[in-house]
Amino acid sequence: EAQVTQNPRYLITVTGKKLTVTCSQNMNHEYMSWYRQDPGLGLRQIYYSMNVEVTDKGDVPEGYKVSRKEKRNFPLILESPSPNQTSLYFCASSLSPGTYGYTFGSGTRLTVV
Amino acid sequence: KNQVEQSPQSLIILEGKNCTLQCNYTVSPFSNLRWYKQDTGRGPVSLTIMTFSENTKSNGRYTATLDADTKQSSLHITASQLSDSASYICVVSDGNQAGTALIFGKGTTLSVSS
Repeated sequence: EAQVTQNPRYLITVTGKKLTVTCSQNMNHEYMSWYRQDPGLGLRQIYYSMNVEVTDKGDVPEGYKVSRKEKRNFPLILESPSPNQTSLYFCASSLSPGTYGYTFGSGTRLTVV
Repeated sequence: KNQVEQSPQSLIILEGKNCTLQCNYTVSPFSNLRWYKQDTGRGPVSLTIMTFSENTKSNGRYTATLDADTKQSSLHITASQLSDSASYICVVSDGNQAGTALIFGKGTTLSVSS
């Protein structure tokens, strides 16, 4: 089944403790992206990648890192999480988002205390 | 600035009734417009996509319309069901081939009650 898989689905952590949210897609898509979703603000793009070793900032990149060493994987790294990063996170992939839109993962609900 | 505005912000209807959600955009150039359905706590799923030349697109009980002249779109839901309770997101593409091609509305939260 074609899908975007994120792990974990739920995560509670403490301020300052580094964490990684994994994302993997099995559709051979070039584009991958991370979004966060907060009440009243909608989906906001954190980082995106157009291909292996090519990443770029979205609208809200502060406090996040990404890497794209393989085509299928696009992990999101929070080096020193803070409470304002408590949010619902979505990974997405596409052949070309402008033409085909994105296929989204099921989401990761992160709470930073 | 490219923007997508949706209204209403939230809506409550009785099961079996129809409803219409609105989307206005100021994206230029325009490539296509999608409506996504997002169940609570889940990822958005595409319902319809329309390009510049398309006025109407249906997907079961969901019918989307597009007026490219006035830059407005609507999503009409017929004979609503409890499972239609979700957030509906309008997404417009400006056609560029970068990862930033999509402009998202903030969504309309629909609650269908019995």
